[in-house]
Amino acid sequence: GDSVTQMEGPVTLSEEAFLTINCTYTATGYPSLFWYVQYPGEGLQLLLKATKADDKGSNKGFEATYRKETTSFHLEKGSVQVSDSAVYFCALGHQGAQKLVFGQGTRLTINP
Amino acid sequence: EAQVTQNPRYLITVTGKKLTVTCSQNMNHEYMSWYRQDPGLGLRQIYYSMNVEVTDKGDVPEGYKVSRKEKRNFPLILESPSPNQTSLYFCASSSGTQRYNEQFFGPGTRLTVL
Repeated sequence: GDSVTQMEGPVTLSEEAFLTINCTYTATGYPSLFWYVQYPGEGLQLLLKATKADDKGSNKGFEATYRKETTSFHLEKGSVQVSDSAVYFCALGHQGAQKLVFGQGTRLTINP
Repeated sequence: EAQVTQNPRYLITVTGKKLTVTCSQNMNHEYMSWYRQDPGLGLRQIYYSMNVEVTDKGDVPEGYKVSRKEKRNFPLILESPSPNQTSLYFCASSSGTQRYNEQFFGPGTRLTVL
């Protein structure tokens, strides 16, 4: 079946550092890929998405590119802020299906 | 404001005492789902509903029931809770009119079963 694997956390960085959170997937067909973010005490919010190979999703300075050849969707940000501290989830979903398959989540802490 | 609401946000209960977690959305979405979040496992789908009176099992349905009598509401029922159902629960909804739809999540319900 489908699966998503994220890099192990927690990840701790200093403010203005470069961020990469790795995400790889296994799936049949051509899923859409997502990054969701969960701030403390809140539900999940969609951060960005990509629906086909080579698409780049971007939002709030975060980017991720759908790489079919490496089955990856790594999340990057050039300069992180304390307010980016949260748990980040990589997920995939198929056309016509309403289930998201999630990775295990990566807790990110940014220190001033 | 478009949103998914869940109640209660926090619940501590004892084994075997029936409970219901409510979920409501105000976006007129057809699709609704319940997920549970456990450390190291991410979110896993419990049940989903494609419309009123249409529900189906997700990946981890054992021990749970749902109903969809109205489009806006999708309660999760634990008829005889057990400690292994201690978890963080999320309700989600989406519109179903596009190729793939963003799922909107509620704030979560943290359940502890003693």
